[in-house]
Amino acid sequence: DAGITQSPRYKITETGRQVTLMCHQTWSHSYMFWYRQDLGHGLRLIYYSAAADITDKGEVPDGYVVSRSKTENFPLTLESATRSQTSVYFCASSKTSAEYNEQFFGPGTRLTVL
Amino acid sequence: GENVEQHPSTLSVQEGDSAVIKCTYSDSASNYFPWYKQELGKRPQLIIDIRSNVGEKKDQRIAVTLNKTAKHFSLHITETQPEDSAVYFCAAFNDYKLSFGAGTTVTVRA
Repeated sequence: DAGITQSPRYKITETGRQVTLMCHQTWSHSYMFWYRQDLGHGLRLIYYSAAADITDKGEVPDGYVVSRSKTENFPLTLESATRSQTSVYFCASSKTSAEYNEQFFGPGTRLTVL
Repeated sequence: GENVEQHPSTLSVQEGDSAVIKCTYSDSASNYFPWYKQELGKRPQLIIDIRSNVGEKKDQRIAVTLNKTAKHFSLHITETQPEDSAVYFCAAFNDYKLSFGAGTTVTVRA
């Protein structure tokens, strides 16, 4: 579990500000994922990446931007934060997502948008 | 896309009793079904999984069953203990992605 980290762990920001959440993994996993967790909704996929420079939308991508210039990093940016983006954000990685592979989750970032 | 429904949303059991959580999925192409446990303030962690070519899998006090025809799968926890209190999520793997159920909060009463 120590192989995937997120920063910051807690963040308070204001509506309209840009916020970037960082995710770093040391396993050289090809796939990385961003989820948000809200009460009653479980974990919803925001964006995912199959490899460096390859990203794709998940279930709830609006208002978010991702990039993956290096295999180990997968930052998530909220370009203009809104109150509805208050949530706990989890990054995850997987060795390969071809078949049956476990996703390992980071510790999460609790984001509050005032 | 895949849609996973999970029931019940909350479950309270007496210590030593069994707990059962049920999930259904919509896409017959889904082929891998993991279960995650999340303790308060912690990250989700895999506790057991099952592949589409297997009907049942057991690991000590936990077991998972899969009915591909009906598109549902279940988690069974026997002889529940206080440390089993947590939120449990089912998921279905399809098109390189996991779709999660909304979660079940399990409380084990001493």
